[in-house]
Amino acid sequence: EIVLTQSPGTLSLSPGERATLSCRASQSVSSSYLAWYQQKPGQAPRLLIYGASSRATGIPDRFSGSGSGTDFTLTISRLEPEDFAVYYCQQYGSSPAWTFGQGTKVEIK
Amino acid sequence: EVQLVESGGGLVQPGGSLRLSCAASGFTFSSYSMNWVRQAPGKGLEWVSYISSSSSTIYYADSVKGRFTISRDNAKNSLYLQMNSLRDEDTAVYYCARDASDDYGDYWGQGTLVTVSS
Repeated sequence: EIVLTQSPGTLSLSPGERATLSCRASQSVSSSYLAWYQQKPGQAPRLLIYGASSRATGIPDRFSGSGSGTDFTLTISRLEPEDFAVYYCQQYGSSPAWTFGQGTKVEIK
Repeated sequence: EVQLVESGGGLVQPGGSLRLSCAASGFTFSSYSMNWVRQAPGKGLEWVSYISSSSSTIYYADSVKGRFTISRDNAKNSLYLQMNSLRDEDTAVYYCARDASDDYGDYWGQGTLVTVSS
């Protein structure tokens, strides 16, 4: 079973700053099967990035994904007030079908 | 517009049973695999179960294997999760999520809360 480790646990930044979130896998992950989600309190997760670097429909271009193998990154180029939330990476396998990282909280500094 | 609406959550005693439903609309339900994902209070996301479009392939997380059963009715555009022998640690918000193409969840429901407590 592949384990995803996200870092840092919490990122304290100001609006307008750049956020860099890391997701490290215990084994190599196909880039096709790495996704990122955003979750705000009381809401369902929202798909941001799939295939490691493709933005989902309606996602602003300040969100970008990169990486391959065991190291993946979600970058928010300039934080907007609505971007403060928890972010999860996820990979697809056969069993378990989906594995999630533990999440990174982006909070207002 | 794609919509997923979960229902069936509530308070149940340890050892009890509950059946969750997820009503789908706005897309051809029979063409997509589906998943259940849960989130314990204040915790992260945990995948629970997967079912392929035709129900031919089903997976479960080890934590629920033998206790939970996923199923679907394509004629009714509905996904189900039968939960038996519930434990305190099953307390969570349960989300249904559409599987884009056996890789990620592109649409999620709003969730239904299951509380297991005596």
